[in-house]
Amino acid sequence: NAGVTQTPKFQVLKTGQSMTLQCAQDMNHNSMYWYRQDPGMGLRLIYYSASEGTTDKGEVPNGYNVSRLNKREFSLRLESAAPSQTSVYFCASRTWGAGGPRDTQYFGPGTRLTVL
Amino acid sequence: AQSVTQLDSHVSVSEGTPVLLRCNYSSSYSPSLFWYVQHPNKGLQLLLKYTSAATLVKGINGFEAEFKKSETSFHLTKPSAHMSDAAEYFCVAGGDDKIIFGKGTRLHILP
Repeated sequence: NAGVTQTPKFQVLKTGQSMTLQCAQDMNHNSMYWYRQDPGMGLRLIYYSASEGTTDKGEVPNGYNVSRLNKREFSLRLESAAPSQTSVYFCASRTWGAGGPRDTQYFGPGTRLTVL
Repeated sequence: AQSVTQLDSHVSVSEGTPVLLRCNYSSSYSPSLFWYVQHPNKGLQLLLKYTSAATLVKGINGFEAEFKKSETSFHLTKPSAHMSDAAEYFCVAGGDDKIIFGKGTRLHILP
C-alpha cells in the first residue's frame, strides 16, 4: 500500500514549456486534489475531483488543466509554464465526506517545480 | 463559501510554556476540521481532526483542539512547548467536496 505517490519529485522548466505532474493513490478513494504551496499563502486548491469522471476548479485554476484518468490517477498539466507557477505541488486523496468519522486526507510527498 | 482564517502568521513562545494557535472557519454547515504540521522541507503530518464527534480532540505530541460552533473556532493548544514543535501549522476545513487550508502559522520556540 503505497498511499499517494507523485512524480516527478523535482522539475525545472523554461518559460513556455509544458509538463504533466502525475498523482496516483491505491486506497480506492473517490476524491482527489491538487494544491500549490507558496510561502505565506498556505496550500491553495488548484483543482479537485470528487469522483471518477468529474473535475472542478479550486481557488487558483488559471494556467492549469487536470485529468481524472481513472479512480487511481489524477494528473495536473501546465500547458505553457510561467515563472509565477514556481511552487511546490501537492496531490491528496480523501477517504470520506464532511463529518464522517473516517474523514481523512492523505498527501503525496510533493513536487518542487521551478520555472525559469 | 468556505474559508479558514488563521489569526496569527507567527507565534513565539518559550520552551515549557503553553502554545495557542488560533483558527476560525466559516462554512454553511459543520465541516470536518483538521490541524496539520509541516517541518521545514518536509511533507504534511496530521496532528488531529474533528469530525462531529467529541468537541475536544486530542492529537499527537500532546496537542489538542476544541471545536466551538458558537465561535466558529478550532484553536490548537499544547500545555508545554518543546523545541521540536517549531514548525508551520495549518488549520484545514473539509466540506463535502473541497478541502480549504488556512495560510499557516509559524511557531517559534525560544530557549
